[in-house]
Amino acid sequence: DTAVSQTPKYLVTQMGNDKSIKCEQNLGHDTMYWYKQDSKKFLKIMFSYNNKELIINETVPNRFSPKSPDKAHLNLHINSLELGDSAVYFCASSKGGLQETQYFGPGTRLLVL
Amino acid sequence: AQSVTQPDIHITVSEGASLELRCNYSYGATPYLFWYVQSPGQGLQLLLKYFSGDTLVQGIKGFEAEFKRSQSSFNLRKPSVHWSDAAEYFCAVAMDNYGQNFVFGPGTRLSVLP
Repeated sequence: DTAVSQTPKYLVTQMGNDKSIKCEQNLGHDTMYWYKQDSKKFLKIMFSYNNKELIINETVPNRFSPKSPDKAHLNLHINSLELGDSAVYFCASSKGGLQETQYFGPGTRLLVL
Repeated sequence: AQSVTQPDIHITVSEGASLELRCNYSYGATPYLFWYVQSPGQGLQLLLKYFSGDTLVQGIKGFEAEFKRSQSSFNLRKPSVHWSDAAEYFCAVAMDNYGQNFVFGPGTRLSVLP
């Protein structure tokens, strides 16, 4: 069983569209995260979500919004997609924050045309 | 703002040789420190982390790292590299437990010669 799964694996879309990436973890963890890895492999944390508390990286545009329907899911919604949003997006989870081991999903490769 | 530098973009070592990957950070206080590994086409895996206590930290896959406050460094070491260690390695620092000011270094790509 996959611990942290993401769908879709690949996403190709046009500029201006709205898209969502889903993330599910079956580890019973309390904290979930979204990361962005650009074409130069630079990694950035976008959000962390713990017990309904959302911590946002202030550099993330407000076109990006995380939605958590329940503790096992943290989906990423992106409005008005731009070329610069092309990247690999990773979801992760941990039992109680960064002091616990994070488990990463396989990533979603987003290409905006 | 804090920053993380990994001076070596690419390192090549022979299988069985020792390895040291460098990481330096810039921050006023002692941060939480991490090393992650990313194999090609894969997500990240945590190798080890330092929050407090013993400055020599043991991780998975035979890796260790040493926190040196005076040098603002957290270098990753392995005594004998295996071909499967070829990957991208990222150092990261955080100022709290939930990702506020969580910054990654640019990464070091490790190649292993047979």
